[in-house]
Amino acid sequence: EIVLTQSPATLSLSPGERATLSCRASQSVSSYLAWYQQKPGQAPRLLIYDASNRATGIPARFSGSGSGTDFTLTISSLETEDFAVYYCQQRSNWPLTFGPGTKVDIK
Amino acid sequence: EVQLVESGGGLVKPGGSVRLSCSASGLSFSHDWMSWVRQAPGEGLENVGHITNKGATDYAAPVKGRFTISRDDSKDMLYLQMSSLKIEDTAVYYCTRGSGRGPLYHFDSWGQGTVVTVSP
Repeated sequence: EIVLTQSPATLSLSPGERATLSCRASQSVSSYLAWYQQKPGQAPRLLIYDASNRATGIPARFSGSGSGTDFTLTISSLETEDFAVYYCQQRSNWPLTFGPGTKVDIK
Repeated sequence: EVQLVESGGGLVKPGGSVRLSCSASGLSFSHDWMSWVRQAPGEGLENVGHITNKGATDYAAPVKGRFTISRDDSKDMLYLQMSSLKIEDTAVYYCTRGSGRGPLYHFDSWGQGTVVTVSP
């Protein structure tokens, strides 16, 4: 099973600041890495798929990069609605696995 | 717009069974891979398993042999039959659509979730 590790566990930032979230895989997943946003009481929402492709309707301030084992989700300038938990997920191997999440909260 | 609406959750005793349903609209359901993802209270996300557009299934190790995913393409419905339930199966269960070319899938559409609580 491919293990995904996310860092940091919590990121405390102010609106307008840049957020950089990391996801590391225990073995190569090529570019088959997705990112999701989840707000309290809501279902997750797909943000980025295949490492760098924004999903439909996702603002341009969200971007993804990386390949192999190291991936980054960047939020260029945090809006109030971006404070949430972010998960990465690999689809390279079965079983599909998620990272434990990074919480982005308001400083 | 894709809409996935789950139902069937509730309180179940350990060892019991429950069937979750998911009504799908706004998608070409018969062509899509569908999946269930769960989230235990205060925890992260876990893929339970999937059913392909041809009806093949696969399951995560913790639920294999206890859970069964099925679909009725004539009704655009997805099901999750859960048996021999354990306390650790307590979670919100999300109906999702799998998407992507190549190996496996990411989850591009999610329902609002239904809560299953396993307790004596």
